[in-house]
Amino acid sequence: QVQLQESGPGLVKPSGTLSLTCTVSGGSISNSHWWTWVRQSPGKGLEWVGEIFHGGRTNYNPSLKSRVTISVDKSKSQFSLNLTSVTAADTAVYYCAREDHSGTYAFDSWGQGALVTVSS
Amino acid sequence: QSVLTQPPSVSGAPGQRVTISCTGSSSNIGAGYDVHWYQQLPGTAPKLLIFGNNNRPSGVPDRFSGSKSGSSASLAITGLQAEDEADYYCQSYDNGLRVFGGGTKLTVL
Repeated sequence: QVQLQESGPGLVKPSGTLSLTCTVSGGSISNSHWWTWVRQSPGKGLEWVGEIFHGGRTNYNPSLKSRVTISVDKSKSQFSLNLTSVTAADTAVYYCAREDHSGTYAFDSWGQGALVTVSS
Repeated sequence: QSVLTQPPSVSGAPGQRVTISCTGSSSNIGAGYDVHWYQQLPGTAPKLLIFGNNNRPSGVPDRFSGSKSGSSASLAITGLQAEDEADYYCQSYDNGLRVFGGGTKLTVL
């Protein structure tokens, strides 16, 4: 069973860059899946941020596209999220997840989530 | 404003049946894209509940079922239990990008 774990700073200053890493274990990051970031602002619903395939192809939420970069490091079995020019509106729990392309074609595995607060 | 519309809340007594709707449009559900459903218990990560409109992952009770018709989908829960109290989200695709519904809070009375 694949497991995902987010890591990174829990506090980011306004106008700074939010950086998170998701470590994948129990399965290969090079399998035919898409690796995804989803965020949830306090008391709000889920928002798809973007995704990456192990070969480097990416798709981003149009509302965040100008500020988001998702990258992958296959040697470390990790993928990362960078979000620039953050504001308080970017305060959220950030989840990494796997979009399974071997059966469900859904987000079948999730990390526990990482709370990132944007504040000075 | 979410691309997929869900009722903010639904409720039911133990043992009852409830349904949660997810309404989209011709660019997402109506275009033939699959709908998935997730359950999020308080303070936890979402969990896949239904995939491909009406399929349950291993371990999900058959009290949960999904359906899709036209530009809408529904999640039905029968034999409601206290442990079902959670937030439920539908998810699909819009022009190839992933989109979520706004979420529905289920209260077990």
